Amino acid sequence: AQKITQTQPGMFVQEKEAVTLDCTYDTSDPSYGLFWYKQPSSGEMIFLIYQGSYDQQNATEGRYSLNFQKARKSANLVISASQLGDSAMYFCAMRSNRGTYKYIFGTGTRLKVLA
Amino acid sequence: DTAVSQTPKYLVTQMGNDKSIKCEQNLGHDTMYWYKQDSKKFLKIMFSYNNKELIINETVPNRFSPKSPDKAHLNLHINSLELGDSAVYFCASSLLAGGDTQYFGPGTRLTVL
Repeated sequence: AQKITQTQPGMFVQEKEAVTLDCTYDTSDPSYGLFWYKQPSSGEMIFLIYQGSYDQQNATEGRYSLNFQKARKSANLVISASQLGDSAMYFCAMRSNRGTYKYIFGTGTRLKVLA
Repeated sequence: DTAVSQTPKYLVTQMGNDKSIKCEQNLGHDTMYWYKQDSKKFLKIMFSYNNKELIINETVPNRFSPKSPDKAHLNLHINSLELGDSAVYFCASSLLAGGDTQYFGPGTRLTVL
């Protein structure tokens, strides 16, 4: 069965510092995608970054990078130079690339950036 | 222009009522989804349609019935609302069923009294 685990319910980081949000996954599918979404207090879900299981390089999008370690089945999100606006819930998600392409989400990590 | 829109944004209703939530996407995507986010922020897929065809139907009470009149619209009808249905419901779309990115609507906060 597929599973996403986010073990950090809450994290604090000082403004301008980097922070890593952990995500581990479990799947028997050879091909899958990994995603991170941000949910600010206003409630919308914002796509941040995507990593394919066959991608050789770690994905990066501006201040976001995904530290993909396939053997460890981890897909940690790294936010560099944290800003106050980064305070939000962050969700890791996985999509199988076969069958119905179902997405599953982790339980989320609440990040608070301190001034 | 709003890519994925939902109406209404807030819905407050009594137990036992029937209500609908509408979703529209103007991205030209083939696949649309409904998610439920509970009070603990856990997000769980309910349904997915690909080109008007139901492809994912999770273990959801049959009081919930999705309808996709065309690939740009996916509505969610809920019969006989219960207290436990209170949640935020998100619509999302992706280019294809295996599309890289899902784009979410703003959510509909349903409160059942």
